[in-house]
Formats: sequence, C-alpha cells, structure tokens
Amino acid sequence: QVTLKESGPGILQPSQTLSLTCTFSGFSLSTYGMGVGWIRQPSGKGLEWLANIWWDDDKYYNPSLKNRLTISKDTSNNQAFLKITNVDTADTATYYCARIDGRGPDYWGQGVMVTVSS
Amino acid sequence: DIQMTQSPSFLSATVGDRVTINCKASQNINKYLNWYQQKLGEAPKRLIYNTNSLQTGIPSRFSGSGSGTDYTLTISSLQPEDVATYFCLQHNSGPWTFGGGTKLELK
Repeated sequence: QVTLKESGPGILQPSQTLSLTCTFSGFSLSTYGMGVGWIRQPSGKGLEWLANIWWDDDKYYNPSLKNRLTISKDTSNNQAFLKITNVDTADTATYYCARIDGRGPDYWGQGVMVTVSS
Repeated sequence: DIQMTQSPSFLSATVGDRVTINCKASQNINKYLNWYQQKLGEAPKRLIYNTNSLQTGIPSRFSGSGSGTDYTLTISSLQPEDVATYFCLQHNSGPWTFGGGTKLELK
C-alpha cells in the first residue's frame, strides 16, 4: 500500500525558508523509474507543479520558481524534501507530494497547509 | 508553459446521468493527459492516465478519450460517490500543468 504524508512548519514569516518533508511508504525512491513531485495549491486557486526528483537523483524544477527551490531525497528513510527560500505571502498554499511512476503522478499525500504571514 | 483550459468549472448532474468534462491544451500534448478525482478532505486520486488507461481499482464507468489538444473525461452513469472535484494534468512537457478543476455536485 502506497502512502505519502507531507509535513511542514504550518506558519512562517516572509523572507524565511520553507522546509517541507514528504514521508512515504509502499515504494522505494531507489527503484528504477520512480520519482516524487511537489505540487501546491493556494486557497481557491489552481494547482501548480513545483519540482520532481527521480530515482537516479535527477531533478526538475518549475522555471518560474527555479531559483528558490531545492528538492532532495533520503532514500534510506523513504523521504523527499523541498525547500523554498525567501517566501512571501504568495507562497501561502496547501503543499502536496506525489509519487510519480512512468505515467505521471499516481498516489498523492493529503497535503499540508503553509501560511506565510508577518 | 502549456496552458490547460478545463470546462466546465462547475457541473450539477443527476444520479445516472452521463457526465463529460473537457480539457484543452494550448499545444499538442501527445496523449500525456491524466485525470484525477479529489474528494473533500482527501488526497487526489488518479482515475485515468495517458488519456484513456483506467487506473487499477477505478470503476469502469470512468473513461477518457482525446488526442492532440482536446481531451475528455466521461462518467457513464453518475453515482452519488462521484461527487468531487476533477482535474486534468498534462505531463508531456515541463512544467507539468493542470486544468483549473471541475466541481461536480448532485442536482
């Protein structure tokens, strides 16, 4: 059974760095073809794809945010991470992680709400 | 970025109705189009991948079709448990992009 769960700080201040963790089970990020992605959705708005990391440590970043994003993984502990630097109120959103098989994302976490506020 | 225009954004239908939801891409996405269902408070669930392949465990009343820039999700006979928000995702080219979502409710 594949499960993913996101965790984060809940609230942080503008200019800080947002650190998110995706803890998953039921698959390994060392398996050929597997990946984990991060997606976010501001309240009342659409979904935005942020970044992917693959089994071979290849990474993809959304160019609109690339300078601010860092994705990484800890294969041994079944976790993936996303850092977003210099946050502002526009980064307030629900953040999801999702497993990616060869057909795009299949299993998603329930999401974690992050609020940026002074 | 490829823009995904999803319609309608809101849909009200009766149990047993045939329901269709559309996504139009701003350029050819080569059938790399997935459909997801998200119920209130739950994680999104993949229904269809690569236009028309049914995800394991998903009822056969869900189907997908399309090619090029135009794609459709069809629910052949709406059931009460299908009340949810549906969205499409293109994974043909980066950044992957989503349709704006369709909120489906029962009439």
